[in-house]
Amino acid sequence: DADVTQTPRNRITKTGKRIMLECSQTKGHDRMYWYRQDPGLGLRLIYYSFDVKDINKGEISDGYSVSRQAQAKFSLSLESAIPNQTALYFCATSDPRDRGRNEQFFGPGTRLTVL
Amino acid sequence: EDKVVQSPLSLVVHEGDTVTLNCSYEVTNFRSLLWYKQEKKAPTFLFMLTSSGIEKKSGRLSSILDKKELSSILNITATQTGDSAIYLCAVVPPERAGNNRKLIWGLGTSLAVNP
Repeated sequence: DADVTQTPRNRITKTGKRIMLECSQTKGHDRMYWYRQDPGLGLRLIYYSFDVKDINKGEISDGYSVSRQAQAKFSLSLESAIPNQTALYFCATSDPRDRGRNEQFFGPGTRLTVL
Repeated sequence: EDKVVQSPLSLVVHEGDTVTLNCSYEVTNFRSLLWYKQEKKAPTFLFMLTSSGIEKKSGRLSSILDKKELSSILNITATQTGDSAIYLCAVVPPERAGNNRKLIWGLGTSLAVNP
C-alpha cells in the first residue's frame, strides 16, 4: 500500500468551482507539503505544515487554502478555480527526525484541469 | 536570492551512452543537496549529498558534490530506456528566519533514452 495517497487522481472542473484535493499519509510524519508542477516551472511550494497546528504559506499560496485535519491528513482547496490553476499537484511528507536527510516522500499526484 | 539551476534542461541519448547531469546552486551555507528521479508519477529519492564530497553510488548511478564549484553532478552509465525521466535537484538551505529550511528546487533535466 502507498504511504502517501492523494484523491482524486484526476479532476476536470469549471472556472469558479470550489475544489478540494486530499492527501493522507501512513508514514507518521509531522511535516506535510503541497506543491504544484507546471511544465518549465518545476515544483513550486503552495503551503506546508510542520504539525497539526502549524500552517505556512509557500511561494504561490494566492488562490489556495489548506487544512491540516490530523497528523495524517492535509487538504488543499481552490476556493474559486481559474484556468491557470491547471497543473499537476503533489502532496509530500518528511520526517524532521530523519538525521538530516531532508528527504521528502511524494504522493502520486493529482492532475487538475480547470476549463 | 537562493537559486538552483540544472543543466541541460533536456537531453536525448541512445541506450548504452553515459550521461552527466549538472546541478548548480547559489545557496549560502547550504546543508545538503538531494537528487530525485521523476518518471510518469511522483518524484522518488535517489541521493543526498553534503559538503563532505563523498560520492554516492547506486548501481549505474553515481553522484558527487563539488563544494568549491557549488555544483553537483549525477552520472548514469550504460543508460537504459528505463532511465528516461526528469531528474530533479533540490538544495536544503541553512535554517534562518522565514525559510524553515524549505527545499529549493531546480527545474529538472528531462532525459530521454532511445533504444
